[in-house]
Amino acid sequence: NAGVTQTPKFRILKIGQSMTLQCAQDMNHNYMYWYRQDPGMGLKLIYYSVGAGITDKGEVPNGYNVSRSTTEDFPLRLELAAPSQTSVYFCASSSTGTGAGNEQFFGPGTRLTVL
Amino acid sequence: GESVGLHLPTLSVQEGDNSIINCAYSNSASDYFIWYKQESGKGPQFIIDIRSNMDKRQGQRVTVLLNKTVKHLSLQIAATQPGDSAVYFCAETPRSNDYKLSFGAGTTVTVRA
Repeated sequence: NAGVTQTPKFRILKIGQSMTLQCAQDMNHNYMYWYRQDPGMGLKLIYYSVGAGITDKGEVPNGYNVSRSTTEDFPLRLELAAPSQTSVYFCASSSTGTGAGNEQFFGPGTRLTVL
Repeated sequence: GESVGLHLPTLSVQEGDNSIINCAYSNSASDYFIWYKQESGKGPQFIIDIRSNMDKRQGQRVTVLLNKTVKHLSLQIAATQPGDSAVYFCAETPRSNDYKLSFGAGTTVTVRA
């Protein structure tokens, strides 16, 4: 299994540009998550999904959108990039909700810089 | 604000010594706790977890201790190795919302040869 994969690894955007961060998992996990990690900080949840067709906001959803058309894929969309969105973005998945004791598996991250 | 936090942002440990990384949380309803390890340029990797009905759980070279009275969590690493150099995060989920992990800011562990 490849686990959780993310593309691209790095990206530089100009203010106002848009892009989609790709995330895929091959573990048949129902639950998927997007986090951002700012320098020296822990991860903050942006959006999550409990299954195909179902998404919900996390702690910091403003400026982002997600979709979940398949179990495997969970893309994150930035419509109007702003410097405040400069961060490292991690996608994760788990077989069930975290409270059931199932760990989240993380991808390698996408480092995004908005100038 | 954040519901979990770590006492110290950095920890320097001599190779072979034991490491203790601490974490305090504020939500008394927190039910599930996880320790993650993040190496440079990589995503967080699960180390060990513990439920609120337990005080201690052991893995390979790692032990997690939970003190619910003072809302304190610790990760002990036995015989620290150079490969243990990383940032360590504690995370928790409250009973009220099982899907969302709240992460602390992390402790950077550096192992001295």
